Amino acid sequence: DVKVTQSSRYLVKRTGEKVFLECVQDMDHENMFWYRQDPGLGLRLIYFSYDVKMKEKGDIPEGYSVSREKKERFSLILESASTNQTSMYLCASRLENEQFFGPGTRLTVL
Amino acid sequence: GENVEQHPSTLSVQEGDSAVIKCTYSDSASNYFPWYKQELGKRPQLIIDIRSNVGEKKDQRIAVTLNKTAKHFSLHITETQPEDSAVYFCAASTRTNDYKLSFGAGTTVTVRA
Repeated sequence: DVKVTQSSRYLVKRTGEKVFLECVQDMDHENMFWYRQDPGLGLRLIYFSYDVKMKEKGDIPEGYSVSREKKERFSLILESASTNQTSMYLCASRLENEQFFGPGTRLTVL
Repeated sequence: GENVEQHPSTLSVQEGDSAVIKCTYSDSASNYFPWYKQELGKRPQLIIDIRSNVGEKKDQRIAVTLNKTAKHFSLHITETQPEDSAVYFCAASTRTNDYKLSFGAGTTVTVRA
């Protein structure tokens, strides 16, 4: 069974704080992704990584950065959190055609 | 980039009836079209997918059809059951960038007992 885990299920931060969301997968997948999920907007790709130390911007990268130092771990960083970054964040890793999602982190920025 | 539109946004069906969700895409180079199901409080999971060299694919009560000319694809669920209640997302990707999926906005399906 593929397992994708995220560091927190719920997170509350204040405006301006630096926020780290971590994702770990245990299946040696090369490709990993970060999405945010908002009602009526579906899943929007923030960043993805096709291998260690490789990253590419998705559709909505503004205000975010990522880090992939090890194959199993992909981190999403909010340099200075803002209220419009309140959302559900989903991490995924990919094997062949299928993306396997983590349980999500619901982030609230006050 | 690719733009995927999904309709309807909500769908309520009587148990046993069929449900149809439609998606359109903008990039004619798109060639892979998966559907993900997300039950309440759970993570999205792949339920069926289709490639552009195939017009239809079936898996038990679910089927997906693809019309490349019109750039649209649809999910069909027959004999709906309460466990089919979920949010369904369509997506598309291209051959040259097939790990990057563009998702539709989602359809909330409610199956009434």
